[in-house]
Amino acid sequence: GQQLNQSPQSMFIQEGEDVSMNCTSSSIFNTWLWYKQDPGEGPVLLIALYKAGELTSNGRLTAQFGITRKDSFLNISASIPSDVGIYFCAGQPNTGNQFYFGTGTSLTVIP
Amino acid sequence: GAVVSQHPSRVICKSGTSVKIECRSLDFQATTMFWYRQFPKQSLMLMATSNEGSKATYEQGVEKDKFLINHASLTLSTLTVTSAHPEDSSFYICSASRRGFYEQYFGPGTRLTVT
Repeated sequence: GQQLNQSPQSMFIQEGEDVSMNCTSSSIFNTWLWYKQDPGEGPVLLIALYKAGELTSNGRLTAQFGITRKDSFLNISASIPSDVGIYFCAGQPNTGNQFYFGTGTSLTVIP
Repeated sequence: GAVVSQHPSRVICKSGTSVKIECRSLDFQATTMFWYRQFPKQSLMLMATSNEGSKATYEQGVEKDKFLINHASLTLSTLTVTSAHPEDSSFYICSASRRGFYEQYFGPGTRLTVT
């Protein structure tokens, strides 16, 4: 299956700082989803993006669907300790209804 | 809404035995369910896509005779790991989506350990 590259691989930030991470692919995707996963649990859906250029917010989270349709970005503003976890992007290609996941960004927030 | 459960949450089995994992959508009808596998500190790898009432579509490199998937109803899909070996030990996660919607909602995962 396809795999999407996420960067950075890990981040260590102070509480209150803003966070940016991105996801890139060599293929075009029709839909992007962003998830957060805590250890030993299933991923939880944060934001869904459906068209190129779309910018969507969910509380302190903002995500964008890149205009090339090959990338997506997630920003977290004013980070708090409970933001700790691994963030995954997931992209849906032109064919089929499956999603492929990014390599993940591990976020650590230092109080 | 959009709650997905998995059972069991943890299972330990002996090499050579088979293990069945259930995935249920509790408050919606899941026309499509997906099965993923995740190794420690790694991403989710899609194993197969399962549409209700039809055979699952497996990703390249996933043995369909080893990982049997059944999606007999709109709220239940099962993954059976047949003749399990230690290298099958992993975290297996299912997700479900509704007809006409792209979003996938994940179960809490099942930790399989084969001894």
